[in-house]
Amino acid sequence: EPEVTQTPSHQVTQMGQEVILRCVPISNHLYFYWYRQILGQKVEFLVSFYNNEISEKSEIFDDQFSVERPDGSNFTLKIRSTKLEDSAMYFCASRREGRLNEKLFFGSGTQLSVL
Amino acid sequence: GDSVTQMEGPVTLSEEAFLTINCTYTATGYPSLFWYVQYPGEGLQLLLKATKADDKGSNKGFEATYRKETTSFHLEKGSVQVSDSAVYFCALSSVNRDDKIIFGKGTRLHILP
Repeated sequence: EPEVTQTPSHQVTQMGQEVILRCVPISNHLYFYWYRQILGQKVEFLVSFYNNEISEKSEIFDDQFSVERPDGSNFTLKIRSTKLEDSAMYFCASRREGRLNEKLFFGSGTQLSVL
Repeated sequence: GDSVTQMEGPVTLSEEAFLTINCTYTATGYPSLFWYVQYPGEGLQLLLKATKADDKGSNKGFEATYRKETTSFHLEKGSVQVSDSAVYFCALSSVNRDDKIIFGKGTRLHILP
């Protein structure tokens, strides 16, 4: 089965530094997402992206966050100035169409640790 | 707002035991309900789903029935295997925004040989 690939699997950074989390969605997919899970808490929706623009974002996704599809294959999440509370597992997801109940494919996640 | 509550883990069982992981939800309207599984080192994978009341989702020996009257979607398996050790997430999506999935906290399952 095709896979969503995320790199790196672990990222350690200092507070205030910028980080970029990378994702390669499945090649014929058009809809892209980022979710995150803070340790011990729920998996939370961050943002959805379609046709080169954000279609929805949560209240967590403030001005410190941005997403980009720079080259037609990668989908990145940038955190401009990391805070301790940004430490979490970040999941990328994609799906082929926006139809109701179209299957969502997730990557294995990037564990971000902010020190 | 919409939410999902699932039983706290970890859950530890012996091989061939019966498994139940409880899940209840709060939502407006009639959401679709899902169970996702995350095996060690892998991404979240859709295990099964149900899109309307009384539907039963099933896959790999796991089952869950959409119970509107009790707002529940409990996951069951009659005889677990060591390979079922993973984290299981109950989730829902609303009818009109099914890409915005709302997850529970996850339940870690350990199966002992």
